[in-house]
Amino acid sequence: GAVVSQHPSRVICKSGTSVKIECRSLDFQATTMFWYRQFPKQSLMLMATSNEGSKATYEQGVEKDKFLINHASLTLSTLTVTSAHPEDSSFYICSARVIRDSVDNEQFFGPGTRLTVL
Amino acid sequence: KQEVTQIPAALSVPEGENLVLNCSFTDSAIYNLQWFRQDPGKGLTSLLLIQSSQREQTSGRLNASLDKSSGRSTLYIAASQPGDSATYLCAVPSGYSTLTFGKGTMLLVSP
Repeated sequence: GAVVSQHPSRVICKSGTSVKIECRSLDFQATTMFWYRQFPKQSLMLMATSNEGSKATYEQGVEKDKFLINHASLTLSTLTVTSAHPEDSSFYICSARVIRDSVDNEQFFGPGTRLTVL
Repeated sequence: KQEVTQIPAALSVPEGENLVLNCSFTDSAIYNLQWFRQDPGKGLTSLLLIQSSQREQTSGRLNASLDKSSGRSTLYIAASQPGDSATYLCAVPSGYSTLTFGKGTMLLVSP
């Protein structure tokens, strides 16, 4: 299957700092990547859809100025949590959409990034 | 708005049992359904993708079925093993590209 990586896998930062998380598709090109957030014992909640070369589309309730998304190439999307606060502590997962064999919308997920804001 | 429900929320079984995980969705106008596995603190691993034109898909000891008209899917795991212990999530498309996830079934298979 398609491989998606995330970096870093874990980050601890002080309140007020900014944190950048990278999502890469390793063996395919992804025109669309997605960013999800998962709180403990909860399911994944979509934060935003990232399209290469254009602005991200944010879900209702997600602050676009706080969660900056850049999709500069077909293999890389970044999520920057600006001025992080303890309530931003969560598990952030990205995914990339693959179109192959006429199958649409199959998504492959990265391993996730655990963010802890002190 | 699409809603996905998974039952049971948690399941604990001894090794070797066959088991069924259930997923239901409110909007049956889907074009596929995907089952994932998530290990603690890890990302998601795609297990099976069923297209709306298909009734089931099989991969090894896993078999997933889809009944669009009733808004249901089941994931059947044969001869369960301790290594199958994980949270299993089902997801359906909402709109063009996004996915709506259920809350998952946490499975524990004891030796």
